[in-house]
Amino acid sequence: AAGVIQSPRHLIKEKRETATLKCYPIPRHDTVYWYQQGPGQDPQFLISFYEKMQSDKGSIPDRFSAQQFSDYHSELNMSSLELGDSALYFCASSTSGGPNTDTQYFGPGTRLTVL
Amino acid sequence: AQKVTQAQTEISVVEKEDVTLDCVYETRDTTYYLFWYKQPPSGELVFLIRRNSFDEQNEISGRYSWNFQKSTSSFNFTITASQVVDSAVYFCALSESNLKIQGAQKLVFGQGTRLTINP
Repeated sequence: AAGVIQSPRHLIKEKRETATLKCYPIPRHDTVYWYQQGPGQDPQFLISFYEKMQSDKGSIPDRFSAQQFSDYHSELNMSSLELGDSALYFCASSTSGGPNTDTQYFGPGTRLTVL
Repeated sequence: AQKVTQAQTEISVVEKEDVTLDCVYETRDTTYYLFWYKQPPSGELVFLIRRNSFDEQNEISGRYSWNFQKSTSSFNFTITASQVVDSAVYFCALSESNLKIQGAQKLVFGQGTRLTINP
């Protein structure tokens, strides 16, 4: 079965640079989520989109922005990167219909390292 | 506010032992979902189970079983006859229903329990 695809899988950036993470949800899933997981931490919710509209927002820094496109893929844009942004970034998707309604399936994650 | 607590930070057992991972949650909602995810050393988050707040029936899937008790706000996970491949960090998570927000709700995770199965 198709899973959530994230790219790139690994990314190394310098401080103050910009990064763009991409997410391709499971086909026919209508909701996309972004989470950030620091070393040894649990995943923290950043932002979500339902049918291409922002639906909820968590502790996402103002330096970060995200959007969902007409083909349902989503991008997380991160600017003025800081050392503390080094983390594993997960994208997840879910559907609001069917037997697995509202279950979030996660992509493999993008490991961002800021030097 | 919603909160999930996994009091066991690390557990280490010998292969073939049974092990139970505890999860306690707090929510003001009467409708919510509870989840368990597995994060192996490779880093991905693997969905294991979802439970609705109105369904307290326990569930068994192979060597895995889950015990949901609303009276104690607990959703514990037991692995029977553990194997080395079960070694991972296990997260319990909660999502509430919120009619003001379209789509499913964010997950709030517990701190995770690192399970090590020794051969």
